Parts: sequence; C-alpha cells; structure tokens
Amino acid sequence: DAKTTQPPSMDCAEGRAANLPCNHSTISGNEYVYWYRQIHSQGPQYIIHGLKNNETNEMASLIITEDRKSSTLILPHATLRDTAVYYCIVINAGNMLTFGGGTRLMVKP
Amino acid sequence: DTAVSQTPKYLVTQMGNDKSIKCEQNLGHDTMYWYKQDSKKFLKIMFSYNNKELIINETVPNRFSPKSPDKAHLNLHINSLELGDSAVYFCASSQNLAGGLGEQYFGPGTRLTVT
Repeated sequence: DAKTTQPPSMDCAEGRAANLPCNHSTISGNEYVYWYRQIHSQGPQYIIHGLKNNETNEMASLIITEDRKSSTLILPHATLRDTAVYYCIVINAGNMLTFGGGTRLMVKP
Repeated sequence: DTAVSQTPKYLVTQMGNDKSIKCEQNLGHDTMYWYKQDSKKFLKIMFSYNNKELIINETVPNRFSPKSPDKAHLNLHINSLELGDSAVYFCASSQNLAGGLGEQYFGPGTRLTVT
C-alpha cells in the first residue's frame, strides 16, 4: 500500500509553474521522498528526491515541510512535454518503490 | 545508448504457454527490478534482485521467476500464462548506495497480451 496521497489530476498552463502536492503523514525519520513521472506509454522517469532539506535539480524543485508530512514538486516552467502522471513515493529501506495512483498533470497551451 | 533495454517490446501469446522477457542494463548497476503495470495503470514491484539477494513481492505467483545470467541482465520467465498476466512489464535498475537507496532507471516496457 502506498504511503502517500496525491490529487488524481491537475491542469497547468504552459510556461507557468506546476506545483504538485503530496501528503505523507506517516513518513518515518529515515524514509526519503522520491518523485517519478510516467509519460504516456513510457517507463517511469526519476525526477528528484529528498530527506529533509529542499532540493533542486535541472528538472524540478522539491519542497518538504518542516514536519516532513507533506511535500510539493515544482516544475518552474511547465511545457507540453511535462504532461504525465507524477508519482510521489516514500521509499522503504529495502529499496522497493511502491507506486500509488499519482497525479495526472495536463499542461495546456 | 539505451541505459535499460527490454525485448520484446510487444508479446502476444496464448494461455498456457511459457514465455520470457529479457532485460539488459549498461549502467553498471548492482540491483535490477521487475514491475507490472496493469490495465488500471497501477505499477507494482514484482522482484528486486542483486547478486546477493532476491526479494520477491509476496503477491507474485510462483509462475513468475527472475533469472540473472550476469549482473547486467535480469530476465523474467513466466510459466503457464493466464489471461490476468496481460499487462506492461517494466525492468529497472539502480546503483546500491549507502543505506540501500538510489534512483531507478526504467526500461521502455514490454506489453504482454495473453489470449
């Protein structure tokens, strides 16, 4: 069972920031938050991960609340190619990813 | 160069047959995985494997078995195929880091259809 809760779908205008929320209220102290996305008919793609601090890479930023019970993935300038299902995952020590339903992000022109 | 590759991309077969899906990674990773994505798009881990340990999701029928001829390959064998096995199967790999965490790289998937 997934340990995260995400809205099933979101829309975002092209060029605007896409902010995807995730709740993980039962996260343990040694568990990381990972984000993946799956573009239609392709394999999932790693985006970013974090433990406590906010993280940024060339794809996105990850903001984790101080109590670690929720996080937000930010795509700063969404493009049509960012249309995908985004999965927020809390990873266990065995390195077994458990995917939930994710958020279907639709970027519109 | 494709980091994680799978063959075949599509596989159509009849119930009761035995089939294999091949997976290769050229990333030098230590751990490989198999996932199943069903028609409802839920992605579930089936196996996690490195040269030391095989971890099996307890919900996976024993008709499914991973076989690793070497570190770069993890093939999936399926015996006595059933209609419910129809799905997209993804292979993935990751490098073991301290604490056992690491980002996973996924293959393009194999769409299996059992008729």
